[in-house]
Amino acid sequence: AQSVTQPDIHITVSEGASLELRCNYSYGATPYLFWYVQSPGQGLQLLLKYFSGDTLVQGIKGFEAEFKRSQSSFNLRKPSVHWSDAAEYFCAVATVGAGNMLTFGGGTRLMVKP
Amino acid sequence: DGGITQSPKYLFRKEGQNVTLSCEQNLNHDAMYWYRQDPGQGLRLIYYSQIVNDFQKGDIAEGYSVSREKKESFPLTVTSAQKNPTAFYLCASSADRGRGYGYTFGSGTRLTVV
Repeated sequence: AQSVTQPDIHITVSEGASLELRCNYSYGATPYLFWYVQSPGQGLQLLLKYFSGDTLVQGIKGFEAEFKRSQSSFNLRKPSVHWSDAAEYFCAVATVGAGNMLTFGGGTRLMVKP
Repeated sequence: DGGITQSPKYLFRKEGQNVTLSCEQNLNHDAMYWYRQDPGQGLRLIYYSQIVNDFQKGDIAEGYSVSREKKESFPLTVTSAQKNPTAFYLCASSADRGRGYGYTFGSGTRLTVV
């Protein structure tokens, strides 16, 4: 069965610093991968997704993610964090061919220091 | 604009009462999902439906019930059998099954037992 691990439960960065959130997945076939962001008390918003092709994908709000098959990873990055990026981030993998189900990681809560 | 509407945003329930959370989508999506979110526990799948008049239990279905009589609607009833219903509930939908397009989420309902 597929699984997604986000090793960091909490991360704190200073405003203007770079950010990398880690995501590791376990899936037998080529994965369909997603990153979502959730602000407090809100639903999840799609940041970006990877299906195939270029392993570096660009998303909204200046985020990008790189798919590395050899490491089973799909880490999220941003060169310069803004205070408004403080939120919870979820990585997910799609079970293609079995009902389009998403399996989510446990989430990483990002705090931004002024 | 297309999207998912969850109502109400806040709901208070007395112990022993059943309550129903509404989820409506106008995206023409086939599949719909209900998740429960507790602090520090990520997203847990309650029920999902991939087609009208059919639904499946997720990981934590006990104490909950659903119906899918229309493509647009997937209401969740939290019954008195649910021992600890206080949580944030998220509804989601997805398009073409097996294509890995990801989910669109509603903005959530916060249920509190008083």
